[in-house]
Amino acid sequence: NAGVTQTPKFQVLKTGQSMTLQCAQDMNHEYMSWYRQDPGMGLRLIHYSVGAGITDQGEVPNGYNVSRSTTEDFPLRLLSAAPSQTSVYFCASSTPGLNYGYTFGSGTRLTVV
Amino acid sequence: AQTVTQSQPEMSVQEAETVTLSCTYDTSESDYYLFWYKQPPSRQMILVIRQEAYKQQNATENRFSVNFQKAAKSFSLKISDSQLGDAAMYFCAYRSPSGGSNYKLTFGKGTLLTVNP
Repeated sequence: NAGVTQTPKFQVLKTGQSMTLQCAQDMNHEYMSWYRQDPGMGLRLIHYSVGAGITDQGEVPNGYNVSRSTTEDFPLRLLSAAPSQTSVYFCASSTPGLNYGYTFGSGTRLTVV
Repeated sequence: AQTVTQSQPEMSVQEAETVTLSCTYDTSESDYYLFWYKQPPSRQMILVIRQEAYKQQNATENRFSVNFQKAAKSFSLKISDSQLGDAAMYFCAYRSPSGGSNYKLTFGKGTLLTVNP
């Protein structure tokens, strides 16, 4: 049971480049989310999905797109990378209502130069 | 909207001693879930302990226990017999019950715990 798999683990982008962070889970979880972690800010919600075909914005959605065509996959797209998007990104998944919180991927450290 | 506050950006403890990390939250909901996550240098987010708000009994997991004060909206984490492997960033998190904002976790800003040998 792999849980939540994120790729890549590290990435360096130039300003203006685009890229996709991949996230896949094998637990048949309905809920999936993307968070970004910045020093002194905790984890902030970027986008989330409550099921295949359903996505919505979180607290800090600007500059990012998501889609959820299958239950398993929830990619995060950076349209035109900016230095302000330098951060650590986490994908997480959960089942509605259960009290065990979310299962997190191992994170992607993204640097935009 | 719910908020979670961790007032201690950094804490330190001597190995084998006990340390308490503080967390307060603000909510108008009567039922909810609270969590403590540990993030070691590996960056992995690890669930340490969880508490359902409707349960009065404080949760315990081995050396980790919580002091849940619902009226005060306080949820502190106590680590007993601290070990070097406990050194990490600790995050307090809130989750609404089904039907509300159940789709997300709201995090505090974290407390960096150092364990001194």
